[in-house]
Amino acid sequence: DAGITQSPRYKITETGRQVTLMCHQTWSHSYMFWYRQDLGHGLRLIYYSAAADITDKGEVPDGYVVSRSKTENFPLTLESATRSQTSVYFCASSDGDGNQPQHFGDGTRLSIL
Amino acid sequence: AQSVTQPDIHITVSEGASLELRCNYSYGATPYLFWYVQSPGQGLQLLLKYFSGDTLVQGIKGFEAEFKRSQSSFNLRKPSVHWSDAAEYFCAVGNNDMRFGAGTRLTVKP
Repeated sequence: DAGITQSPRYKITETGRQVTLMCHQTWSHSYMFWYRQDLGHGLRLIYYSAAADITDKGEVPDGYVVSRSKTENFPLTLESATRSQTSVYFCASSDGDGNQPQHFGDGTRLSIL
Repeated sequence: AQSVTQPDIHITVSEGASLELRCNYSYGATPYLFWYVQSPGQGLQLLLKYFSGDTLVQGIKGFEAEFKRSQSSFNLRKPSVHWSDAAEYFCAVGNNDMRFGAGTRLTVKP
């Protein structure tokens, strides 16, 4: 079925490790987004991408790296994980009608020990 | 800077009763406004959005929202709540760099 798939759904790692969260969409939507969700903060935008090879920072980009070599994939990498990055991460996409996230994945729950 | 406030952290309503979830925003220009719903363990689903034009916006699942510029508000309403509406609701404002409110958790009593 078409949609957004995030992997893994759950991840536990240690501080200092590198971890990559994967996001794949089947619609060929131009816009993709990464958010983190923390209690009391709602969702905060980490990075977004308007098209392949075009990315831009959001509200909380520090400590994260993204790439978009193909339209359908938008991986998020924590180069050296810290405990403050423990969160639930959501990937989203949009077909460009207003450039706001329309479709969300089910999230990745990341715990950093 | 743009921001969103959802004054109510948790609301409980009886099934069949009407619902209004409050949202206040701060934005420098004419805002793009959104409401999303999130069920436990899932991502967000877009309920409705306002860009311009008619200030009363209809969405999915029987929800509507009204943009009131004078009050900087975009409250979400539903005339009769169903048990399946129990979820977390988020208001958001902006364009590419959207800001979300902290959410309102809705509990529906039988």
